[in-house]
Amino acid sequence: EVQLVESGGGLVKPGGSLRLSCAASGFTFSSYTMNWVRQAPGKGLEWVSSISSSSRYIYYVDSVKGRFTISRDNAKNSLYLQMNSLRAEDTAVYFCARRRDGYHWNDYWGQGTLVTVSS
Amino acid sequence: QSALTQPASVSGSPGQSITISCTGTSSDVGGYNYVSWYQQHPGKAPKVMIYDVSNRPSGVSNRFSGSKSGNTASLTISGLQAEDEADYYCSSYASSSTLYVFGTGTKVTVL
Repeated sequence: EVQLVESGGGLVKPGGSLRLSCAASGFTFSSYTMNWVRQAPGKGLEWVSSISSSSRYIYYVDSVKGRFTISRDNAKNSLYLQMNSLRAEDTAVYFCARRRDGYHWNDYWGQGTLVTVSS
Repeated sequence: QSALTQPASVSGSPGQSITISCTGTSSDVGGYNYVSWYQQHPGKAPKVMIYDVSNRPSGVSNRFSGSKSGNTASLTISGLQAEDEADYYCSSYASSSTLYVFGTGTKVTVL
């Protein structure tokens, strides 16, 4: 069974940092592109970042460029999102999602982890 | 890159058909056949219902269908059921620094 389990969310002050993790199981992690998608409270979905299976291709939404860093460890079946210089507008549930390389849709999603940026 | 435009809400009675529109630009919806649709129940993770405009993943009911014309994609739910009540989001690949753009979301209510 495919499972994606996010962790690392919590309350952080503006300007602070947080590292999210996504533990994958039930599939060959190293064969899939992984993504972070967020959803602010009561709002819609927003794509945040993607990393290809080999980490060769990495992309970010403009609003997080220079502040967030996506990475993965295929040996540990894990995806990460290092978030620095956090702002109130980064408050959201962060989902990790799986996508086949070369495809353009996410077939499995985790349950999400809540990040709250507030003083 | 702006979010794709969807109606805020659509409603229908059980058994009826409803259609949700998703309007973008020639840089996203109109430029690629990479539109997908996601269903999200409250407090749950999104679930893909349609990919590449009109394809259904294994396990998704054939009551769900997708199409596209120009810069507008559509999701049709036929034979509406109570379990279809949820939020629906379209998504498209985009030829910009924003790799993927989502729609504003549509709340489907089964009357």
